[in-house]
Amino acid sequence: GAVVSQHPSWVICKSGTSVKIECRSLDFQATTMFWYRQFPKQSLMLMATSNEGSKATYEQGVEKDKFLINHASLTLSTLTVTSAHPEDSSFYICSARVGYPDRLNTEAFFGQGTRLTVV
Amino acid sequence: QKEVEQNSGPLSVPEGAIASLNCTYSDRGSQSFFWYRQYSGKSPELIMSIYSNGDKEDGRFTAQLNKASQYVSLLIRDSQPSDSATYLCAVTPSGGSYIPTFGRGTSLIVHP
Repeated sequence: GAVVSQHPSWVICKSGTSVKIECRSLDFQATTMFWYRQFPKQSLMLMATSNEGSKATYEQGVEKDKFLINHASLTLSTLTVTSAHPEDSSFYICSARVGYPDRLNTEAFFGQGTRLTVV
Repeated sequence: QKEVEQNSGPLSVPEGAIASLNCTYSDRGSQSFFWYRQYSGKSPELIMSIYSNGDKEDGRFTAQLNKASQYVSLLIRDSQPSDSATYLCAVTPSGGSYIPTFGRGTSLIVHP
């Protein structure tokens, strides 16, 4: 199956600093990537949808200036958590969709996730 | 609002039994349906996709789709303790955005 690599798998940072998370599709081109956040024992929460070469589309309530998303190539998207605070501590997961979306080709594969702890 | 509903569980089954997981969705025009497995502390892993009415089998897993009734289910035969995880149902709605909507997941516990 398609492989999505997310890095780092965990990070601890000080409050007020910024953290960058990378998401790479290793064996396919991902025109669309999704970024999710998941708190313990809760469901996935979609933060934004990122299309290669264009600005990300953020979900309601997600601060675009705080969560910067860049999808500069067909294999790489990054999420930068700026001025992180303890309440941003969470499990961040990217997902990449294979190829161009059509009715029979909308499978999305997840990266390993990044556990962010802000102290 | 397009919704995907799952019973949060936990669903507890004995080893070797069939586990049946259900999911209903509100958008009648939904086109693609997926089951993901998520172990505690890990990211979701795609295990099945189904696009047309009927059954689709892959090893011990069978996905069943009934668009008229707007439900999709996942059967796990010969359940193993290693199947214990949260199972997420995802539905790609109509409208062309192709952004999957996830259910909250059903926790499955397979006890020896």
